[in-house]
Amino acid sequence: NAGVTQTPKFQVLKTGQSMTLQCAQDMNHEYMSWYRQDPGMGLRLIHYSVGAGITDQGEVPNGYNVSRSTTEDFPLRLLSAAPSQTSVYFCATKRGRYYNEQFFGPGTRLTVL
Amino acid sequence: QQQVKQSPQSLIVQKGGISIINCAYENTAFDYFPWYQQFPGKGPALLIAIRPDVSEKKEGRFTISFNKSAKQFSLHIMDSQPGDSATYFCAASKETSGSRLTFGEGTQLTVNP
Repeated sequence: NAGVTQTPKFQVLKTGQSMTLQCAQDMNHEYMSWYRQDPGMGLRLIHYSVGAGITDQGEVPNGYNVSRSTTEDFPLRLLSAAPSQTSVYFCATKRGRYYNEQFFGPGTRLTVL
Repeated sequence: QQQVKQSPQSLIVQKGGISIINCAYENTAFDYFPWYQQFPGKGPALLIAIRPDVSEKKEGRFTISFNKSAKQFSLHIMDSQPGDSATYFCAASKETSGSRLTFGEGTQLTVNP
């Protein structure tokens, strides 16, 4: 099992460009989420999904879109990148409602110039 | 506004010593309090967690102490080892399922040999 995989590992964008950060899991987990990690601020929840076809906003959703068409994949889209979106992005999964542990992917380091 | 405040920002401990990291929260609706450990270049991983109905939980060298009236909880690492050098995050969730985590700012722990 690969667990939680994220691609790419690194990405540099120019302001205004769009891109999609990929997250895939092979654990058949219902719950998936995206966090961003910034120095001195910990991790902040961007969007999450409790199952295929269901998504909701987290703490810092502005500038990001998500969709969940399959159990396995939960892509994060930046429609028009801004320097404030420079961060390390982590995808996390959780087995389901009655399980507590979240499993984090290795992260994507994004720089917006 | 940081709902979970963590201190210290960095901590240096000698091998064999005790590492103590503290967190304080505002929202009394929080119902699940995990600690995550993150090594450089990796995603966070669950270390230990506690619910507010107990005052202490111990797993090996790691102990969480919880003070509900003071709205504080702390991580104690006994007999600290160089391999414990990592960044530690406290977190809290309003849901017993542990979804939608709110993280503290993080503490970078260095254990000197």
